[in-house]
Amino acid sequence: AQSVTQLDSQVPVFEEAPVELRCNYSSSVSVYLFWYVQYPNQGLQLLLKYLSGSTLVESINGFEAEFNKSQTSFHLRKPSVHISDTAEYFCAVRPYNNNDMRFGAGTRLTVKP
Amino acid sequence: KAGVTQTPRYLIKTRGQQVTLSCSPISGHRSVSWYQQTPGQGLQFLFEYFSETQRNKGNFPGRFSGRQFSNSRSEMNVSTLELGDSALYLCASSEQFNTEAFFGQGTRLTVV
Repeated sequence: AQSVTQLDSQVPVFEEAPVELRCNYSSSVSVYLFWYVQYPNQGLQLLLKYLSGSTLVESINGFEAEFNKSQTSFHLRKPSVHISDTAEYFCAVRPYNNNDMRFGAGTRLTVKP
Repeated sequence: KAGVTQTPRYLIKTRGQQVTLSCSPISGHRSVSWYQQTPGQGLQFLFEYFSETQRNKGNFPGRFSGRQFSNSRSEMNVSTLELGDSALYLCASSEQFNTEAFFGQGTRLTVV
């Protein structure tokens, strides 16, 4: 079975500061990796995904994540955050051969003015 | 394309009752997964249906069940509701294994 650990439950930052949300995973099988974002009273929206190829993946709104196989990590970064980035972020893994997606506990990012 | 639609958005039930939640996936998506989200336990996988068959199951009691229809719409049923079943229930649909899951807005169930 696979599991995901998000190392920070809450991350407060000031607007325009850089941020890193950390994610480590463990799995006995090969997995795909995802970051989802959840705004209050909403479902989850895909932010970015790693399926194969380049280990650095980017989203359209400035977030990026790097897959590090040796450290089993998939940290999410943004060089300059906005107030609108305030949300809960979930890291997730899913095996190649089924849809049993496992999520981390989430990191609440709060961007302050 | 319309997104994943979950109905109802909010529900209040009494302990001991049963409840049925509905999920309409994105057109063309044959896989539907269900998750329970609570502040204490986070997001937990309930089960996944593909072409009307349950393909994967999480670690939930038998009170939680589901089904999928030929049009890929799915329902989730919880019988003999307990206070601890209060949660946001999320449904996600996807095309096949190596694509992302698209989530609905969820059904917030409150058991009183």
